[in-house]
Amino acid sequence: GESVGLHLPTLSVQEGDNSIINCAYSNSASDYFIWYKQESGKGPQFIIDIRSNMDKRQGQRVTVLLNKTVKHLSLQIAATQPGDSAVYFCAEIFGNEKLTFGTGTRLTIIP
Amino acid sequence: KAGVTQTPRYLIKTRGQQVTLSCSPISGHRSVSWYQQTPGQGLQFLFEYFSETQRNKGNFPGRFSGRQFSNSRSEMNVSTLELGDSALYLCASSGGSSSVYEQYFGPGTRLTVT
Repeated sequence: GESVGLHLPTLSVQEGDNSIINCAYSNSASDYFIWYKQESGKGPQFIIDIRSNMDKRQGQRVTVLLNKTVKHLSLQIAATQPGDSAVYFCAEIFGNEKLTFGTGTRLTIIP
Repeated sequence: KAGVTQTPRYLIKTRGQQVTLSCSPISGHRSVSWYQQTPGQGLQFLFEYFSETQRNKGNFPGRFSGRQFSNSRSEMNVSTLELGDSALYLCASSGGSSSVYEQYFGPGTRLTVT
């Protein structure tokens, strides 16, 4: 079946620095992508989304970049805070079908 | 507005038993999706219900089933439990016809099969 993302990598970032989390997707026909944040003991929480006809979208302290040529998605978090420590998942949607999630990246913010 | 609630939060079962998990969506949401989350496989889609009908289904065996009631509350059932069914089961709800685009997740039910 389709796969999104790779193994669960970890990323440690100093508080206040910027972080970049990457995701590879395999379905070139996917038309919608979402980043989720999952804190320990909680369900995934929507962060930001982007449609396939866009290259970049900005939110509050977060930016998502989409490179359709290499099927790559990234999430940039600016001025990281301790509360940003979590597992981050990218997910893709093709048509109006189900979400397909990547395995996630664990982000740790070092005080 | 209350979020998605799932009960129970934790459950321990024995191989061969069956289990029923419950999900109450956000008020007004008519779509409920279920996911299984494990360290090895990540988040995998089980099925989605909309207006009491299963609309999408993932690649899970028939031991996994679900249903949705007229008030949009949903249950999922796993029969003949296996050790590999140990996981966090997440439910997500959304409103409108483009349900998959704005899903709100519950805290999950942690199922341990011994």
